[in-house]
Amino acid sequence: EAQVTQNPRYLITVTGKKLTVTCSQNMNHEYMSWYRQDPGLGLRQIYYSMNVEVTDKGDVPEGYKVSRKEKRNFPLILESPSPNQTSLYFCASSLSVLGDTQYFGPGTRLTVL
Amino acid sequence: AQRVTQPEKLLSVFKGAPVELKCNYSYSGSPELFWYVQYSRQRLQLLLRHISRESIKGFTADLNKGETSFHLKKPFAQEEDSAMYYCALSVDSGGYQKVTFGTGTKLQVIP
Repeated sequence: EAQVTQNPRYLITVTGKKLTVTCSQNMNHEYMSWYRQDPGLGLRQIYYSMNVEVTDKGDVPEGYKVSRKEKRNFPLILESPSPNQTSLYFCASSLSVLGDTQYFGPGTRLTVL
Repeated sequence: AQRVTQPEKLLSVFKGAPVELKCNYSYSGSPELFWYVQYSRQRLQLLLRHISRESIKGFTADLNKGETSFHLKKPFAQEEDSAMYYCALSVDSGGYQKVTFGTGTKLQVIP
């Protein structure tokens, strides 16, 4: 089944403890991105990747890192999480890098205490 | 920079009533516009995109370049339409897509 998966789905952690949220797609998509969803603010793009080893900042990249060593995986890294990074995170992928439909993962709810 | 505005945070309508979810965008070039839907406890999924000119689940959306709008419409709301709806704009940003989402409108269909 074609899909985008994320792990973990739920995570409660403490300030400063490094964490990684994984994202994987099995559709051979070139474009992948990370969003955070906050009430009243909608979806905001954190980082995106156009292909392997090619990434760029979105609208709210501060406090996050990403890597794209393989086409299928695009992990989101929080080196030193803070409470303002408590949010619902979505990974998405699309076939091409230009104006294509995005397929979303199920979301990861992160709470930073 | 491009921008997407969804002026209503919440829209409540009765079952069978017409629905219009508003979306306005700002972008000087030729945009790609999408509507995504998020049902309760589910992931976001594409509802429709303007270039396909489809009607999905009874919803339609017409791109009005003069008014820079892409409003989502349905003539008769159903209870299963209750969900969060996001308008999204995709533009060419140096050879790659830059996607901007609106803040979303929660549609509540009252039985």
